[in-house]
Amino acid sequence: TQLLEQSPQFLSIQEGENLTVYCNSSSVFSSLQWYRQEPGEGPVLLVTVVTGGEVKKLKRLTFQFGDARKDSSLHITAAQPGDTGLYLCARGTYKYIFGTGTRLKVLA
Amino acid sequence: DAGVIQSPRHEVTEMGQEVTLRCKPISGHDYLFWYRQTMMRGLELLIYFNNNVPIDDSGMPEDRFSAKMPNASFSTLKIQPSEPRDSAVYFCASSSPGRVASGANVLTFGAGSRLTVL
Repeated sequence: TQLLEQSPQFLSIQEGENLTVYCNSSSVFSSLQWYRQEPGEGPVLLVTVVTGGEVKKLKRLTFQFGDARKDSSLHITAAQPGDTGLYLCARGTYKYIFGTGTRLKVLA
Repeated sequence: DAGVIQSPRHEVTEMGQEVTLRCKPISGHDYLFWYRQTMMRGLELLIYFNNNVPIDDSGMPEDRFSAKMPNASFSTLKIQPSEPRDSAVYFCASSSPGRVASGANVLTFGAGSRLTVL
């Protein structure tokens, strides 16, 4: 199994702070997805990145795919309590494998 | 669309009992996935179907687990007999053919079935 390692595992920050979480693999992947999961719900897709070096923005969230397509990062600007949740990266075309996850808590 | 519908949302049972989890995928989606989520192991893929046919069941823990998809609108995951270590949240997800250049599918998850085996 080609693992996706995410870091940090846990993150607790104050409202208004910036943060970056990472997703790393030893293997190249053709695409990578980021999901957010809130308590009691299933993961919800945020974005798919496909091209090495690609940067996508979703409001205060910025996603980057590494040039070598082995890693990705998610940067949140001015975090809000509503950003609290489990952030998961996933790779695959039909058989999706998920990373270990970063559990984020934003304190008001 | 109502999304992916799973039932029951919560199940508490005793060791040795049979458990059946149910899933109704989004209409028109031709892939269906069963995942299990625990704090220790994260989100693990158990099995997935394409056009109602099981494609990869290498993630199914052991013979006590079985999954079926008798038609395009219904799937079950059965555990018989259940054990305390099966306690987890089980998710069903469905997807449609790829909409991005790589062919990557977009997974839509249900709300999950939380299973507790005493």
